[in-house]
Amino acid sequence: DVKVTQSSRYLVKRTGEKVFLECVQDMDHENMFWYRQDPGLGLRLIYFSYDVKMKEKGDIPEGYSVSREKKERFSLILESASTNQTSMYLCASSFGSGRIYEQFFGPGTRLTVL
Amino acid sequence: AQSVSQHNHHVILSEAASLELGCNYSYGGTVNLFWYVQYPGQHLQLLLKYFSGDPLVKGIKGFEAEFIKSKFSFNLRKPSVQWSDTAEYFCAVKTRGNNRLAFGKGNQVVVIP
Repeated sequence: DVKVTQSSRYLVKRTGEKVFLECVQDMDHENMFWYRQDPGLGLRLIYFSYDVKMKEKGDIPEGYSVSREKKERFSLILESASTNQTSMYLCASSFGSGRIYEQFFGPGTRLTVL
Repeated sequence: AQSVSQHNHHVILSEAASLELGCNYSYGGTVNLFWYVQYPGQHLQLLLKYFSGDPLVKGIKGFEAEFIKSKFSFNLRKPSVQWSDTAEYFCAVKTRGNNRLAFGKGNQVVVIP
């Protein structure tokens, strides 16, 4: 059974703090993704990675960065948190090309920035 | 970039009623299509997917979806809903050569007992 885990379910931070969100998958997936989910806006892709040390910007990368040093781990970094980054953050992973494609999601981290 | 449209963001219906959620996408090439569901307090999980073959796809919990290529649509249906179908439903599209999904904005479905 595929498992995608995220380091925290709930997180409260102050404006200007550096925030790290961690995601780990146990299925040897090549691709990993970070989304934010906001009511009425659906899922918006922040960044994704198709290999170790590789990353690509999604639709809303501003204010975020990512790190993928190991295949199973993908980190989302908020360099200086702002109140408009209060949201639910979802991590997902999938196999790369050549296989049946499906994204598997973690439980999410609800981040509140005060 | 491809876009995915889901209409009627909030849907309220009674148990045993039929449900149909629309999904339209804007891409003319080969697509893979997905419906994901998020039950209250749970993570997103796959409901069903279409890759090729029979355009009528059956998923878990009695859901089905029909791919109509000429209409760029992949509508989700369930003939008789239950209270436990209360959830948010997302349509997603993957285009050929792309490793990412484009998601619609979701449908919040509330089933009243």
